[in-house]
Amino acid sequence: LAKTTQPISMDSYEGQEVNITCSHNNIATNDYITWYQQFPSQGPRFIIQGYKTKVTNEVASLFIPADRKSSTLSLPRVSLSDTAVYYCLVGGFKAAGNKLTFGGGTRVLVKP
Amino acid sequence: DAGITQSPRHKVTETGTPVTLRCHQTENHRYMYWYRQDPGHGLRLIHYSYGVKDTDKGEVSDGYSVSRSKTEDFLLTLESATSSQTSVYFCAISESGVSGASMNTEAFFGQGTRLTVV
Repeated sequence: LAKTTQPISMDSYEGQEVNITCSHNNIATNDYITWYQQFPSQGPRFIIQGYKTKVTNEVASLFIPADRKSSTLSLPRVSLSDTAVYYCLVGGFKAAGNKLTFGGGTRVLVKP
Repeated sequence: DAGITQSPRHKVTETGTPVTLRCHQTENHRYMYWYRQDPGHGLRLIHYSYGVKDTDKGEVSDGYSVSRSKTEDFLLTLESATSSQTSVYFCAISESGVSGASMNTEAFFGQGTRLTVV
């Protein structure tokens, strides 16, 4: 399984763009990159998933360079409610199972 | 929200007693997972299942066993609870597969079970 490395924490202010970079140097050819968000006392929630280049949805954008050894989650114009822990996962579908393994996550604090 | 229910939501038990946590889904998803989360740590995978009666260990499986006798239920058992197993336990479900050019590995999580072993 590809190991991921993310910053432990980041501070931002309301209205700013937050970019969180995740390193995954040994990503496999069939691995996808997925990001989850977790609020206190809740289970994680899926944000976005990608394989290469750029993916955008109503919540975030995910930028993946050509070598796929890293990825960057971009949260546009954050608000106080975006304060959460963000997890980067790397994995793929395998016949014997899909082992979703979380790293330590990045704690994002949005200040007024 | 995905139909996933954990029970109980809170439990206090004594050291040495057996404890079983239940995860129930109504989505007919193939994969089910049990995680624990401790202060200052991310989620750590305990066990997971990729089908009825098909399970495998995660990164922190010692002291835990699981069973999945039907698609909708995944049970986590602490045979003899210890204080180090005090934690918040999350169940998750997913249905992975290939759909065109994308792969869905989105997992849905339950609300968690707060277990205290005294």
